Amino acid sequence: AQKITQTQPGMFVQEKEAVTLDCTYDTSDPSYGLFWYKQPSSGEMIFLIYQGSYDQQNATEGRYSLNFQKARKSANLVISASQLGDSAMYFCAMESGNTGKLIFGQGTTLQVKP
Amino acid sequence: GAVVSQHPSWVICKSGTSVKIECRSLDFQATTMFWYRQFPKQSLMLMATSNEGSKATYEQGVEKDKFLINHASLTLSTLTVTSAHPEDSSFYICSAGHGTGWETQYFGPGTRLLVL
Repeated sequence: AQKITQTQPGMFVQEKEAVTLDCTYDTSDPSYGLFWYKQPSSGEMIFLIYQGSYDQQNATEGRYSLNFQKARKSANLVISASQLGDSAMYFCAMESGNTGKLIFGQGTTLQVKP
Repeated sequence: GAVVSQHPSWVICKSGTSVKIECRSLDFQATTMFWYRQFPKQSLMLMATSNEGSKATYEQGVEKDKFLINHASLTLSTLTVTSAHPEDSSFYICSAGHGTGWETQYFGPGTRLLVL
């Protein structure tokens, strides 16, 4: 069965520091994609970063990087130089089987302290 | 990035009425769109896959006669909640893939439904 697990319900980080949000996954499909989305209080889902299962290098997008450890089935999101505007809910998601369907983790609420 | 819109953003209705939610891809064509539901403080759960020109595919446990999906064109999918009840109150959000694969999926801004 496919599953995404985020074990951190809530996280705090000091402004300008880096923070890592954990995500582990489980799938028997050799081809899959891993996503991170940010959901502020407005509810919109903002796409942050994508990692394909066959990608050799870890994905990076500006201040966001994905620490992809395939053998451990983990895809942690690293946010560098945190900003107050980073305070939001963060979801890890997986797509497998080339269906486009996303399975989401439980989410992690990040609060950035000034 | 690609833009997906939803209308309305908020809707309040009486129990027993039907509500239609639109999802549009504004600057790209989407043969497949997805509908998700999110209850407060919870994760997103896939309800159904909307396919242009064919019937939607529903996830297990989702009543297809209650949540009617129509994908009339490459840029528009609609979700109709029929005979809505208070337990249908939720945040409904659609998504569409953009590009050659599923590596980029963009979500609409969501629709908050409150059934009184």
